[in-house]
Amino acid sequence: SQTIHQWPATLVQPVGSPLSLECTVEGTSNPNLYWYRQAAGRGLQLLFYSVGIGQISSEVPQNLSASRPQDRQFILSSKKLLLSDSGFYLCAWGTGLAGKETQYFGPGTRLLVL
Amino acid sequence: TQLLEQSPQFLSIQEGENLTVYCNSSSVFSSLQWYRQEPGEGPVLLVTVVTGGEVKKLKRLTFQFGDARKDSSLHITAAQPGDTGLYLCAGPSGGSYIPTFGRGTSLIVHP
Repeated sequence: SQTIHQWPATLVQPVGSPLSLECTVEGTSNPNLYWYRQAAGRGLQLLFYSVGIGQISSEVPQNLSASRPQDRQFILSSKKLLLSDSGFYLCAWGTGLAGKETQYFGPGTRLLVL
Repeated sequence: TQLLEQSPQFLSIQEGENLTVYCNSSSVFSSLQWYRQEPGEGPVLLVTVVTGGEVKKLKRLTFQFGDARKDSSLHITAAQPGDTGLYLCAGPSGGSYIPTFGRGTSLIVHP
């Protein structure tokens, strides 16, 4: 069966510090991978998605970047965090079936920037 | 403008009551997914509906996909406190395979 891991679970960082959140998927190959941010427990904002190694699409211009160094690894990064980067970050993988894309989410990382 | 509109935004009910939440759009969806998210956790997939008019049941939860594939509903019978959470609908529309999400219905079931 497929599983998706995210770490860390919680992170408190000062403004201006760097960020690296990691997501890994097991039990599937060549998944579509996604990073979302969720504010105040409502609404998922798509940040980045990837259909393959080294292929990253950005949905929203921002202070963040993403990378996919391996097939089942997706990393969310920032060089300098802003207060507005606080939120709940979710990684998801998708089945990649045209018209029937179903996503499976990781447990999330709660980021607080102070 | 939200592609998927969910209503109501908030719902607070007593254990044992029935409820229905809605997911509406002016666009046609090839499929729709329903998720439940508990505080501090990632959304968990409940069901995927694909065919217009399709009805799927998951214990006390009944999901329906509209005939025109533009809307969906989730009906919960005899709600329990364990049903508490944020219910999200999502689906790919147009030529994109990437799902778009509604803002969710936040449900609280009081014992």
